Amino acid sequence: QVQLVESGGGVVQPGGSLRLSCAASGFTFSTYGLHWVRQAPGKGLEWVAFIRFDGSNKYYADSVKGRFTISRDNSKNTLYLQMNSLRIEDTAVYYCAKGSTTVTLWIDPWGQGTLVTVSS
Amino acid sequence: QAVLTQPPSASGTPGQRVTISCSGSSSNIGSNYVYWYQQLPGTAPKLLIYRNDQRPSGVPDRFSGSKSGTSGSLAISGLRSEDEADYYCAAWDDSLSGGVFGGGTKLTVL
Repeated sequence: QVQLVESGGGVVQPGGSLRLSCAASGFTFSTYGLHWVRQAPGKGLEWVAFIRFDGSNKYYADSVKGRFTISRDNSKNTLYLQMNSLRIEDTAVYYCAKGSTTVTLWIDPWGQGTLVTVSS
Repeated sequence: QAVLTQPPSASGTPGQRVTISCSGSSSNIGSNYVYWYQQLPGTAPKLLIYRNDQRPSGVPDRFSGSKSGTSGSLAISGLRSEDEADYYCAAWDDSLSGGVFGGGTKLTVL
């Protein structure tokens, strides 16, 4: 079955950097787009970024544009999220999720999430 | 402030039918599919409805979705206690070139 396992979360100071990873299995990784979605404590879902199956196109929420970079390594079945210039408001559980072969908000399934805490 | 607008809460008694609305604009729901996600307490979200009105395998037919113009709707019939969860609508937004979610609706089964 499809599995997505995030790692790399933790506590970081404002202005710092963190790289999240998402190891995928159970499907042909190189043929699907992938999303990052986050959820601040006690809040709703916020879409963060999407990368197409071959990495040719990347899309970002305005709130992270210029600070976060989504990437993938199809040889390692792994998705990444490089987060720079972190702010307190970036504190959230970050979910990695499988998208579709086209650019849509079809997101299924989701990983279990990894918590990122930005605090001094 | 979420781009898609949902009521923050909804409720019903077991066996009832409840609906949750999702209002958007021409750049998101008006020109793209609506998706619905269910998040049970303490768990990751799960796809409930895709392409406006399609159910993934394993989702009971008590759940149904629809779209009209720039709004979407999720209906749950024969309400059960295990349906108590947060529900989110979502769509791609052509103007933002990104995804957008509703603020979420907390469903309480009384």
